[in-house]
Amino acid sequence: GESVGLHLPTLSVQEGDNSIINCAYSNSASDYFIWYKQESGKGPQFIIDIRSNMDKRQGQRVTVLLNKTVKHLSLQIAATQPGDSAVYFCAERFGSARQLTFGSGTQLTVLP
Amino acid sequence: DAGVIQSPRHEVTEMGQEVTLRCKPISGHDYLFWYRQTMMRGLELLIYFNNNVPIDDSGMPEDRFSAKMPNASFSTLKIQPSEPRDSAVYFCASRQQGTLLGTEAFFGQGTRLTVV
Repeated sequence: GESVGLHLPTLSVQEGDNSIINCAYSNSASDYFIWYKQESGKGPQFIIDIRSNMDKRQGQRVTVLLNKTVKHLSLQIAATQPGDSAVYFCAERFGSARQLTFGSGTQLTVLP
Repeated sequence: DAGVIQSPRHEVTEMGQEVTLRCKPISGHDYLFWYRQTMMRGLELLIYFNNNVPIDDSGMPEDRFSAKMPNASFSTLKIQPSEPRDSAVYFCASRQQGTLLGTEAFFGQGTRLTVV
């Protein structure tokens, strides 16, 4: 029979445009959040993280926004490049736990 | 540092055989995690160690799975006997102690396991 896998949300953007990838997290007690990028055939790669006492954090070409009221996290990528094409995962952690809980991911495709 | 190193990169084995996956964490990192990634279930934590001691193995699917960390620079994940439903990409990740921003887990390249 046909296998059923996760249906990854997809986002296609033109090269040079800005990208916004969204994530709804599950646990209102989570106090730490992180974004990973996974290219085909590779392991997840750290992009940027943020604590729950912050609502915005910027890195190089990336910005993470946190809205605790609606349990929403977003990743903004400025001037998207072909090398940004990948699956992007958000993850959360709460309390003294050291492990991360990952979301299902979003496939970003950059169009030439 | 070469990052987290996993071996083998690919493994094809027959059902019922024993499979051992290996991981060398980043030097100085105190935590080591084993994850499994499938299309059906995404990224799942199997087990993690702190200073070579298993802390949480609640994600290990069955008794067929076992993990060890005999020293700070080496860990194994063993499946015995293997089954076709164990086919997945297995990732090892490590991180250092502390809660500073930017110190989160770094992942290896993964081992793609196929059980036929």
